[in-house]
Amino acid sequence: GAVVSQHPSWVICKSGTSVKIECRSLDFQATTMFWYRQFPKQSLMLMATSNEGSKATYEQGVEKDKFLINHASLTLSTLTVTSAHPEDSSFYICSASLREQFALADTQYFGPGTRLTVL
Amino acid sequence: AQRVTQPEKLLSVFKGAPVELKCNYSYSGSPELFWYVQYSRQRLQLLLRHISRESIKGFTADLNKGETSFHLKKPFAQEEDSAMYYCALSGGLGNKLVFGAGTILRVKS
Repeated sequence: GAVVSQHPSWVICKSGTSVKIECRSLDFQATTMFWYRQFPKQSLMLMATSNEGSKATYEQGVEKDKFLINHASLTLSTLTVTSAHPEDSSFYICSASLREQFALADTQYFGPGTRLTVL
Repeated sequence: AQRVTQPEKLLSVFKGAPVELKCNYSYSGSPELFWYVQYSRQRLQLLLRHISRESIKGFTADLNKGETSFHLKKPFAQEEDSAMYYCALSGGLGNKLVFGAGTILRVKS
């Protein structure tokens, strides 16, 4: 259980175009979804926290107009990288959180990631 | 401020040797601590969390509030344990995870 999928797994686009990445929780309804960037051999950098039906909360330094997040349902969140530039090339990872019995905190389950390359 | 520190970037051990991956945290309340593992070309997976007190794949981790540590241990390392390990902290329900920088564990034969 607790499987999270991402689509696409990789994408190449031209500079100036927009790219949409989907994140789905397949077998559970997520309390919250999160979007991260991961640079090679580095830890995950949280970009934003997303709750269904409300505006995403962005981390400091993350441009909300550039990284648009839509959280349409309890099982789907999308990240759109608008007017992509080569410096946006990265590995984008989403997670979905599940509230489990007796836990002090939600458990985050991660998607496989999306490799974005902007030419 | 919430912070997770993993002091070792790389830990290299021989197969069969004990392993200890260090994790220290700073948090003013009562956090929940997690260990996540990322095998080569795979997604980040939950390994264990302090509240469940489980042993997964032979790994254990005990929360030491006095030392604010949550070190990950395994008595006998196996080659398939080679991966990136992340310690993470959550301040509570609905809260985000704060990750450490990660430690690469390399188990040599």
